[in-house]
Amino acid sequence: QVQLVQSGSELKKPGASVKVSCKASGYTFTTFVVNWVRQAPGQGLEWMGWINTNTGNPTYARGFRGRFVFSLDTSASTAYLLIDSLRAEDTAVYYCARSTASSGNLIDYWGQGTLVTVSS
Amino acid sequence: DIVMTQSPDSLAVSLGERATIDCKSSQSILYRSNNKNYLAWYQQKPGQSPKLLIYWASTRESGVPDRFSGSGSGADFTLTISSLQAEDVAVYYCQQYYNSPWTFGQGTKVEI
Repeated sequence: QVQLVQSGSELKKPGASVKVSCKASGYTFTTFVVNWVRQAPGQGLEWMGWINTNTGNPTYARGFRGRFVFSLDTSASTAYLLIDSLRAEDTAVYYCARSTASSGNLIDYWGQGTLVTVSS
Repeated sequence: DIVMTQSPDSLAVSLGERATIDCKSSQSILYRSNNKNYLAWYQQKPGQSPKLLIYWASTRESGVPDRFSGSGSGADFTLTISSLQAEDVAVYYCQQYYNSPWTFGQGTKVEI
C-alpha cells in the first residue's frame, strides 16, 4: 500500500536549520511528484511547492523562496525539506504529499506530518 | 493566485442530519477541453493528516462512504454529508488543482 513516512518532530532554536525527510513506499517513486504543505498551529493548509522526482527540479510557491529547499535521494525513494535560518513563525506541521500530472496534479496521499517547533 | 473561500467556518449538526459545506473559487476551475472541475475535498481529523474524499468535484475516492458527495461546477461547489456520523467530526478543506499555486479553502469545522 502507498505510504509516505516522515521523520519525527523537531525542536530548534531560531537561526538554526532543520531537514525533514519523507520516505515513499508502495509505488514507483519517480512516477509522482512530491509536494510540501505547511500547517501552522490551529491554521489551514498552505502549499509550499513541489519537486519533480524525475528531474529533481523544484518549484517553490511565493513565500517559500530562499530559505526553503526541496531535494531528493531517488535511490532511497526519499524527499527532503530543508528550512534554513529558522524563525518562530516557521513553527508548523509540515506534510509531504504525492501527486501526478496524469491525474491532473491531484494530491491523493499524504505523509503523517512532521512538527517543527522553533523556540529559544 | 486562485482564492478559495469556504462557508461556513464551522457548523454543528445532529447525528443523522445533513451537513453542507460550500466552496467558491475566485475564478472558474473548469477546464473546458476535458470538462473537468479541478476541485478536491479533504477531511482532516484532529491530529491526523488530510485524507482525500472527493476529486474532480464529484468523484468519490475509493473507500469513502457514499454519505459523502460533491457537486458543483465552474466556481461554486458543495460537499454534502447526507447523514452525519460521529466519526465525521473533522475539518474539511476544498482545494483547487487547476492552476499553480494549488490553493486551499480556509477549512470548515464540523461538530456534533
